[in-house]
Amino acid sequence: AQKVTQAQTEISVVEKEDVTLDCVYETRDTTYYLFWYKQPPSGELVFLIRRNSFDEQNEISGRYSWNFQKSTSSFNFTITASQVVDSAVYFCALSRAGNNRKLIWGLGTSLAVNP
Amino acid sequence: EPEVTQTPSHQVTQMGQEVILRCVPISNHLYFYWYRQILGQKVEFLVSFYNNEISEKSEIFDDQFSVERPDGSNFTLKIRSTKLEDSAMYFCASRGTDTEAFFGQGTRLTVV
Repeated sequence: AQKVTQAQTEISVVEKEDVTLDCVYETRDTTYYLFWYKQPPSGELVFLIRRNSFDEQNEISGRYSWNFQKSTSSFNFTITASQVVDSAVYFCALSRAGNNRKLIWGLGTSLAVNP
Repeated sequence: EPEVTQTPSHQVTQMGQEVILRCVPISNHLYFYWYRQILGQKVEFLVSFYNNEISEKSEIFDDQFSVERPDGSNFTLKIRSTKLEDSAMYFCASRGTDTEAFFGQGTRLTVV
């Protein structure tokens, strides 16, 4: 069975701090995809990144970076120099390869960035 | 930039009534999904749809739910007889052959 665990329910930081959101996944598949989505207070789901299981290279996009480690089944997300606009719920998700690719979601981490 | 469009943004309905939630996926996408999120909780998969048929459905997607792609552009979710526990945000998503899922803005369904 597939499962995504985001152990941090809520995180509160002060602006400009770095923050890492943890994601641990379980799957028996050798090929799969990992995702991060952002849900701001307005409620929509904003895609941030997709990672193929064969690509363990870390990725950086501006203040965002992702650390994918198959050895520990983790796909952690770091925001550098956080800003108030980063306040949102962040979801990690997992899908199988193949045609369906339904998303299995973690419970989400609510990030509050305070001025 | 192409986007998934959902209507209405908010629907209030009486318990026992039928509701239809509408979605217009991105035009060249082939895979369609409905998810729901009860307030403050995680996002849950309801159903996936490909080639004009359901490819997978979750335990939540019981006989009260149905999906349709009636005219090649819209993708609808129908709940035949709503219950209080159907109150949630419903998200439609579509996906191309090798893209991530793109989500609509969601429809907030309130059953009273």
